[in-house]
Amino acid sequence: GESVGLHLPTLSVQEGDNSIINCAYSNSASDYFIWYKQESGKGPQFIIDIRSNMDKRQGQRVTVLLNKTVKHLSLQIAATQPGDSAVYFCAENYAGNNRKLIWGLGTSLAVNP
Amino acid sequence: DGGITQSPKYLFRKEGQNVTLSCEQNLNHDAMYWYRQDPGQGLRLIYYSQIVNDFQKGDIAEGYSVSREKKESFPLTVTSAQKNPTAFYLCASSSAGTSGRPDTQYFGPGTRLTVL
Repeated sequence: GESVGLHLPTLSVQEGDNSIINCAYSNSASDYFIWYKQESGKGPQFIIDIRSNMDKRQGQRVTVLLNKTVKHLSLQIAATQPGDSAVYFCAENYAGNNRKLIWGLGTSLAVNP
Repeated sequence: DGGITQSPKYLFRKEGQNVTLSCEQNLNHDAMYWYRQDPGQGLRLIYYSQIVNDFQKGDIAEGYSVSREKKESFPLTVTSAQKNPTAFYLCASSSAGTSGRPDTQYFGPGTRLTVL
């Protein structure tokens, strides 16, 4: 399944399928990007990050892809599990932004057993 | 939640009362942040502090105040001037280090504030 994360859409996938969560970032000067996972009632947790000198980075079951030409970021989750159900946020930063992050609106991922 | 604690987890307040939310971190991070999150929404920055005894307003600072007297602590006061204070409040911190992930923010578990 795939979504665009400009509002707060819901992406619904079957357990075991791959998930793709998309994010359109705002600032062409941004050089650092982070994905967070937020479970209900909890604080966001760091998942994976990527710098602008890379276009792909892999973690455990997750891959982040960066396309600077169209200012697009995606998070791919392989073999999605029920425990992956959460809201996923992308965030960006750039030098000179006083170490603040610019946050996307989030995408809700629902995993069906 | 990586060494950041927030208390209390749930807080109830009567209209017209000020209330202070606690945030403590033992990560030796220089920067700390307060965010507000409304149901089904993203994070909005209230205040942030890059160093002890200094802090800056975020995007929605009106009706809130902070202090940063110690590196470990960044309490947030929700004043009676905040017209719609019911929300989920999140505290975060980040390091200034040149190694690792200097801009990655690590979050506490949050405080859910309800105004009665």
